Amino acid sequence: GAGVSQSPSNKVTEKGKDVELRCDPISGHTALYWYRQSLGQGLEFLIYFQGNSAPDKSGLPSDRFSAERTGGSVSTLTIQRTQQEDSAVYLCASSTQGALNTEAFFGQGTRLTVV
Amino acid sequence: QQQVKQSPQSLIVQKGGISIINCAYENTAFDYFPWYQQFPGKGPALLIAIRPDVSEKKEGRFTISFNKSAKQFSLHIMDSQPGDSATYFCAASGGGSYIPTFGRGTSLIVHP
Repeated sequence: GAGVSQSPSNKVTEKGKDVELRCDPISGHTALYWYRQSLGQGLEFLIYFQGNSAPDKSGLPSDRFSAERTGGSVSTLTIQRTQQEDSAVYLCASSTQGALNTEAFFGQGTRLTVV
Repeated sequence: QQQVKQSPQSLIVQKGGISIINCAYENTAFDYFPWYQQFPGKGPALLIAIRPDVSEKKEGRFTISFNKSAKQFSLHIMDSQPGDSATYFCAASGGGSYIPTFGRGTSLIVHP
């Protein structure tokens, strides 16, 4: 596709349920990031994938959060036993990765509401 | 630990005025400083970026000023327009890390 695609665009779930959020990065982009955007809190880094390297999971807030990236392309962020504080917009971004840092291209995000 | 501090949190300017948003960073190894613009319901999109080998970069009405010694950089929007109303994020990366660290964002409203 032309850009980063995320699905679903909106998700309402009951507290305690598991959810899966999907990200299709731009074709050929080796780097993929997940961020969480809460009101007034900016963009909180969650996890980073680069090629076949082990992901950087340092931003995951708890062990209820996990992510995988299959075949170096599509990524899924899973939140188990959702809590109300998990309500936020989850943003995925991808970029090329060379010797220099470059632009990250963001998807439109998935708005998660836990009720 | 907040590595990139952004201010102000919100900004209101009149059409035609100058909007100024400031960011300060702590990690001297950062070597890439982008600004992102986000409209409601959309993901952030790159507006303009600078590397520390220059002190200023201008693209149309948007200018980044960079002060390496002070570890600060700012976004100036000249002749601000209502269409510029959005949330602006500064970011920084480098020093062996490709993960951008973002400021908390500035909500800009430009009144017609």
